[in-house]
Amino acid sequence: QSVLTQPPSVSGTPGQRVTISCSGSSSNIGGNTVNWYQQVPGTAPKLVIYNNNQRPSGVPDRFSGSKSGTSASLAISGLQSEDEADYYCGAWDDSLKDPVFGGGTKLTVL
Amino acid sequence: EVQLVETGGGLIQPGGSRRLSCAASGFIVSSAFMTWVRQAPGRGLEWVATIFADGTTIYTVSVKGRFIISRDSSRNTLDLQMNSLRVEDTAFYYCAKNLWGNYFPEYWGQGSLVTVSS
Repeated sequence: QSVLTQPPSVSGTPGQRVTISCSGSSSNIGGNTVNWYQQVPGTAPKLVIYNNNQRPSGVPDRFSGSKSGTSASLAISGLQSEDEADYYCGAWDDSLKDPVFGGGTKLTVL
Repeated sequence: EVQLVETGGGLIQPGGSRRLSCAASGFIVSSAFMTWVRQAPGRGLEWVATIFADGTTIYTVSVKGRFIISRDSSRNTLDLQMNSLRVEDTAFYYCAKNLWGNYFPEYWGQGSLVTVSS
């Protein structure tokens, strides 16, 4: 059972906009920044959003992040087949005094 | 360009030990926050340990007292000494360079598979 809760799966068609939610508490998302990772099966994770809504260099602006209260979201607009991957959120937890990850969400592009 | 290459994975018997090493290039390991993250086959990401630039270390509860994260400035490497290995330690182990001043990875290695089985 992960400290951060994500839906197991989401899906969308090419060109569509999808969002992936990450729900936490006041001890993690509520008081700290959120990062998002993309992991194509068989490869290492890749950072796509940091500090809630910042995109690393090279990440398309189709990817955006937001945070409100104890929840965060990753949005992907103009969905493309190469976006099909597992996505993980992460935040520092003040109670555990550890970094924690969500359980991951599998994005399927139909 | 930042590059991270892990070595040292393999098949180990329960109770055994193994040392993973991560060769870094493009930056100085001792000046960065460095992290090990693991992923059991078919499962999600799990933070394992972090070493800060000042040498302070933190560990997830399940490996505390068994794993040691360290760095070698002469080789510019990050290491993870794993002792008293358990079946549940079986996973891909990723070495990572953290975001500046952050607990979370920015750059990741390709991963090294550690299998604990009799």
